[in-house]
This record gives sequence, C-alpha cells and structure tokens, in this order.
Amino acid sequence: AQSVTQLGSHVSVSEGALVLLRCNYSSSVPPYLFWYVQYPNQGLQLLLKYTTGATLVKGINGFEAEFKKSETSFHLTKPSAHMSDAAEYFCAVSEGTGGSYIPTFGRGTSLIVHP
Amino acid sequence: KAGVTQTPRYLIKTRGQQVTLSCSPISGHRSVSWYQQTPGQGLQFLFEYFSETQRNKGNFPGRFSGRQFSNSRSEMNVSTLELGDSALYLCASSSGTSGTTDTQYFGPGTRLTVL
Repeated sequence: AQSVTQLGSHVSVSEGALVLLRCNYSSSVPPYLFWYVQYPNQGLQLLLKYTTGATLVKGINGFEAEFKKSETSFHLTKPSAHMSDAAEYFCAVSEGTGGSYIPTFGRGTSLIVHP
Repeated sequence: KAGVTQTPRYLIKTRGQQVTLSCSPISGHRSVSWYQQTPGQGLQFLFEYFSETQRNKGNFPGRFSGRQFSNSRSEMNVSTLELGDSALYLCASSSGTSGTTDTQYFGPGTRLTVL
C-alpha cells in the first residue's frame, strides 16, 4: 500500500528565504506525484505534478519539486518565500494500474512566513 | 469558465440523519472526485466518477455513496450520520479521462457538522 510522509507539520521561514517542504512516499510501482496548496477556507490548488519524464518539475508561483526515485522523495522548493505563500501544503501520491488510481495524501505542512 | 461549485457550503445535521452534498464541475469536465478532510484523518479519497460510472473508490463504509448525472454534476450521500463524519467534503473535477491523475480543480468544499 502506498503512503506519504511529510516531514514537519509546521515550517517557518523568513520572507525572502528558501522554502523546502519535504515529502517521502512508498509505492510499489512508479507513482504519480503531486503537490497541492490550500489557503484557509478554500479547496486545494494544484502546484505541480510528476508523471513521467524530467525529474525536475516546475509549477506555479515559482515552486518546483524534484522526483528522486532512489530516495523515494519529492521535495518542494521555492528560492524566495513571499508572505502570500503562507498556507497548508499537501503532497500526494497516486498509484494504480489499468486506469484505477487511488490518491493518498500526506498530513500536510503548514508554511509560516515571517516578515 | 466558472470554477467547481459545491452546495451547500455549510451544513449542520444530527446523528442518525442523512445528508446529500452537491458538486457542479467545470463545464466540459467529465470526471468528478470526492474527498473528506478532517483534522484527525487528514485528506482521504472517497470516490471518483466518470461519465456517470464510479471508477474508483476509497476505503469508506457503505454509508458513503455517490452518483453522477448525465450533465456531470455529482452528488454524494452519507446515511446514518456519525459524529466522526464531521468534515470538510471537497469535490474536484478534471477534463481528462484519467481522473485523479489528471489535473484536478477543487471546489471550496462543504463543511458538514454532525451534532
């Protein structure tokens, strides 16, 4: 069964600093990997996803993530944090075959950005 | 295009009652997925519908059911409500045929409180 671990329920950075949110997964087959952001009282918004091909994935709002198969990781980074990046971030894995894919989410990481 | 809409946004029910939540996907999207978000269990996949057929189902009891209409609108029903069903229920739609591995667009959710 697949699982997703997000290290750190809260990450605090200063505005302008590097953002690094960690995600490790377990999957028996090559998975689809996703990062979502959720602002208060809103649904999720897709930041980026990995399916196949290039392991460095660029997303919206300056975020990117690198798929490292050997480390079973898909960490999310952004070079310079902005106040508007403060939100909850979720890593997700979708594994399956034959068109049947069940997504599994991490518990989320709350990003706090200090001025 | 209008985004994913969910009605109602807030709902209060008592134990033992049943509830129906509605989701209108983005125009042209044929895949609709439902998720439950709680502080205790996090984000969990409920089920996914495509062209009126349930394609994937998460690990939830039979009290949770859903359906999709010919216009792609979807409803989910929870019967015999329990206190633990209190949650934010999120709906997402996608334009592709791969459901949860496609880019999904989420609605704002329906906040269900069970007393």
